[in-house]
Amino acid sequence: DAGVIQSPRHEVTEMGQEVTLRCKPISGHNSLFWYRQTMMRGLELLIYFNNNVPIDDSGMPEDRFSAKMPNASFSTLKIQPSEPRDSAVYFCASSETSGGEQFFGPGTRLTVL
Amino acid sequence: GDSVTQMEGPVTLSEEAFLTINCTYTATGYPSLFWYVQYPGEGLQLLLKATKADDKGSNKGFEATYRKETTSFHLEKGSVQVSDSAVYFCALSEGLNDYKLSFGAGTTVTVRA
Repeated sequence: DAGVIQSPRHEVTEMGQEVTLRCKPISGHNSLFWYRQTMMRGLELLIYFNNNVPIDDSGMPEDRFSAKMPNASFSTLKIQPSEPRDSAVYFCASSETSGGEQFFGPGTRLTVL
Repeated sequence: GDSVTQMEGPVTLSEEAFLTINCTYTATGYPSLFWYVQYPGEGLQLLLKATKADDKGSNKGFEATYRKETTSFHLEKGSVQVSDSAVYFCALSEGLNDYKLSFGAGTTVTVRA
C-alpha cells in the first residue's frame, strides 16, 4: 500500500507566485481532506471532498486558495497569489468513508519568501 | 464550538518512564475521541480512539479512557521507549459532521536513552 502521496514535499517560492500542491489519495477511499499546520494555529481543516465533490470548504482562508478534485485519484490545492503568511505544512488525508479513519500523507512544507 | 485542550509540552522523559498527556474536551453532544501521533517528518497516524463513554482505546502500549464525567481522554503509557519520541495530538469528531476533526495543539514528547 502506497498510502497517501503528496508532492512536492518541499516548496520554496516568492511572494506573488502561484503554488500548486498535489495529492493522490489511497485507492478506494471516497473522502479527501486538505489540512494546514502552523505553529500559531495548529492543524486546521481547509476543505473536505466526498466522492470528488467539495462538501465543506469553510476552512479555506480566502479567495486566494482553491482546491479541485477532478477524479477519485487526484486533488490539487492552489494558492494564487501566495503570501509569506501562507508558509505552513499542508497535509492531505483520505478515508474510506466520511467518518472513517483518516490516513495522512507526509505533507508539503511550503515557504513563501 | 467543539474544542480540545491538551497539555502543553515539550515533555522530556527517560526511557522506561511513565508518560501521561492530559486532554480535555468541550462538546455539545457525544463526540468520538482520538489520539494521533506524528513522527518527525511524517504525517499524522491514528494511535487509538474511543467512541463512547467509558470506552478504553489502546495500541502499542498506549491507553486512553473516555471519561464523560470529567470530559477527559488522557493518554498514558507505562514504559516509554526512544521510538515513542513524537508529537501527540488529541482530537474529537462529533455528530453529523463526523468527518470534521478538531485537534488540540499537540504535545512534543522526547524520550532519552
